Amino acid sequence: DADVTQTPRNRITKTGKRIMLECSQTKGHDRMYWYRQDPGLGLRLIYYSFDVKDINKGEISDGYSVSRQAQAKFSLSLESAIPNQTALYFCATSSTVNLQETQYFGPGTRLLVL
Amino acid sequence: DQQVKQNSPSLSVQEGRISILNCDYTNSMFDYFLWYKKYPAEGPTFLISISSIKDKNEDGRFTVFLNKSAKHLSLHIVPSQPGDSAVYFCAAVSGYSTLTFGKGTMLLVSP
Repeated sequence: DADVTQTPRNRITKTGKRIMLECSQTKGHDRMYWYRQDPGLGLRLIYYSFDVKDINKGEISDGYSVSRQAQAKFSLSLESAIPNQTALYFCATSSTVNLQETQYFGPGTRLLVL
Repeated sequence: DQQVKQNSPSLSVQEGRISILNCDYTNSMFDYFLWYKKYPAEGPTFLISISSIKDKNEDGRFTVFLNKSAKHLSLHIVPSQPGDSAVYFCAAVSGYSTLTFGKGTMLLVSP
């Protein structure tokens, strides 16, 4: 079984709709992250959480919100989706036990906003 | 301003030869560097890393070299195999900050 899972794997939605992408992990890590990948732009950080009570904005947080429901769950919401949010979204986790930061990624969610 | 740069969007290499992927950084506070590999329809997976106190780290066919004075690191794959064809991301971090990724280099290894 995968350590980091994302649902859904693919989603098509319309402009203005609210959608939620979910991430769950069984690695027991305290840190979780949401990234988006666009062609030619690499991985850009949207939000991150170092523990359940901690939420931080990343490089490109506008238009997104997150919720850390439990140590194992971190969801990303698009309150009112727009076409330029069409991208590949990745959740990742890491542990503070290892001082050298190594992140483990989920399989990704491909989102298309029409 | 891009702090981690991978200036080659793509690289083509023949099977059995060496692949060299390059990465430059601008933030002198970075003290740990990582390479991730990504296949289509999958998430990135950790490949190899290096601390700023070292100048080389080797793991099987993969070796990462760090030149701190030039703020440059490179990933060497020897020998290259068709299964190495993927996008490779360089990433860097300082202290307890989050990772900063480069834009990636697509490696194609042809038989």
